[in-house]
Amino acid sequence: SQKIEQNSEALNIQEGKTATLTCNYTNYSPAYLQWYRQDPGRGPVFLLLIRENEKEKRKERLKVTFDTTLKQSLFHITASQPADSATYLCALLYGSGNTGKLIFGQGTTLQVKP
Amino acid sequence: DAGVTQSPTHLIKTRGQQVTLRCSPKSGHDTVSWYQQALGQGPQFIFQYYEEEERQRGNFPDRFSGHQFPNYSSELNVNALLLGDSALYLCASSSEFRYEQYFGPGTRLTVT
Repeated sequence: SQKIEQNSEALNIQEGKTATLTCNYTNYSPAYLQWYRQDPGRGPVFLLLIRENEKEKRKERLKVTFDTTLKQSLFHITASQPADSATYLCALLYGSGNTGKLIFGQGTTLQVKP
Repeated sequence: DAGVTQSPTHLIKTRGQQVTLRCSPKSGHDTVSWYQQALGQGPQFIFQYYEEEERQRGNFPDRFSGHQFPNYSSELNVNALLLGDSALYLCASSSEFRYEQYFGPGTRLTVT
């Protein structure tokens, strides 16, 4: 079965630095890979989606890369702020359109210190 | 525009009981998915409903069942509750041609 691995240890960085989070998966590549943010006690919030034929996607201070050869996605937050502190979830979408199901990693907790 | 809403917010049940959780999707969305999230883990896919039919199902026993109504709202039912069913239950909605999912705040279920 498909396995998704994210850094289980919390990532602590200083404000203003770039945070880089890793998502590795086994078996076959998904058609789409998504990143979500989750705050304690809240539901995940969609951030970015990248397709299997895209290498990189950007949105404001966020950047996602997708390497289907390495079976890895990297998620970057540049000029990080304390408000970026949260758990970030990688999710793989298998199937076509919105009929596919999302398979989530366990998430990586990011702590940005002022 | 209201986002995804879920009720109740919290629920405490005893082993063996049955529970029903409710979800209203974001306006314009026709697909509802349910997830179970244990503490410290990512959400696990339970099932997905579209046009009042269960379209996909994850690795959950038949004790977990659902329903979607003509107005696209949905219910998740869990029978014969076990202690291990204690978790945050998340509902997510999406529309036919978009791939991102919008999550509700979740229902925290505690089984004692």
